[in-house]
Amino acid sequence: DGGITQSPKYLFRKEGQNVTLSCEQNLNHDAMYWYRQDPGQGLRLIYYSQIVNDFQKGDIAEGYSVSREKKESFPLTVTSAQKNPTAFYLCASSLVNEQFFGPGTRLTVL
Amino acid sequence: AQSVTQPDIHITVSEGASLELRCNYSYGATPYLFWYVQSPGQGLQLLLKYFSGDTLVQGIKGFEAEFKRSQSSFNLRKPSVHWSDAAEYFCAVGEVTGGGNKLTFGTGTQLKVEL
Repeated sequence: DGGITQSPKYLFRKEGQNVTLSCEQNLNHDAMYWYRQDPGQGLRLIYYSQIVNDFQKGDIAEGYSVSREKKESFPLTVTSAQKNPTAFYLCASSLVNEQFFGPGTRLTVL
Repeated sequence: AQSVTQPDIHITVSEGASLELRCNYSYGATPYLFWYVQSPGQGLQLLLKYFSGDTLVQGIKGFEAEFKRSQSSFNLRKPSVHWSDAAEYFCAVGEVTGGGNKLTFGTGTQLKVEL
């Protein structure tokens, strides 16, 4: 089955630690995206990548980093510089105009 | 910059009643418009999309939406709501950039269905 997988579903980390969220897709999509979701704020774009080895900052990139070494993978690192990292993180991919979303990772920083 | 407003944070309807969720957008050119649905703790599922052409768009699960350029609106409708429609609904406007698109989302409308 084609789709987007995100792992883990739940992630707990201590304050000050970096953490990497995984996103893999087998849809052969060129573009991939990371969003952050907080209650009452909708989804906000963190980073996006249109091709391998290239990515752009979204609206709230501070405290996050990404890489795009393979077409299928777009991992997101939440660094210790992110002041309020507890949130639900969603990965998406698209071929042209329509984005498909993964199931999300809920990150809790203790 | 593009923006999306969903003025209703929460809506409660009785099962079998009709539903309309409001969405207003701000975008300089012809917009690409989307409605997504999200169940608790899950990802987003696309309900329908508007790119061009017929302004009344049919989607999955019996939903439809109408694009009204003069009102900058893209309201989602369903003639008869089922209990399983209880979820959060997001309207989004898309900006095409090269090989992909950037979506700007509204803050969502939480739908509760009373049995």
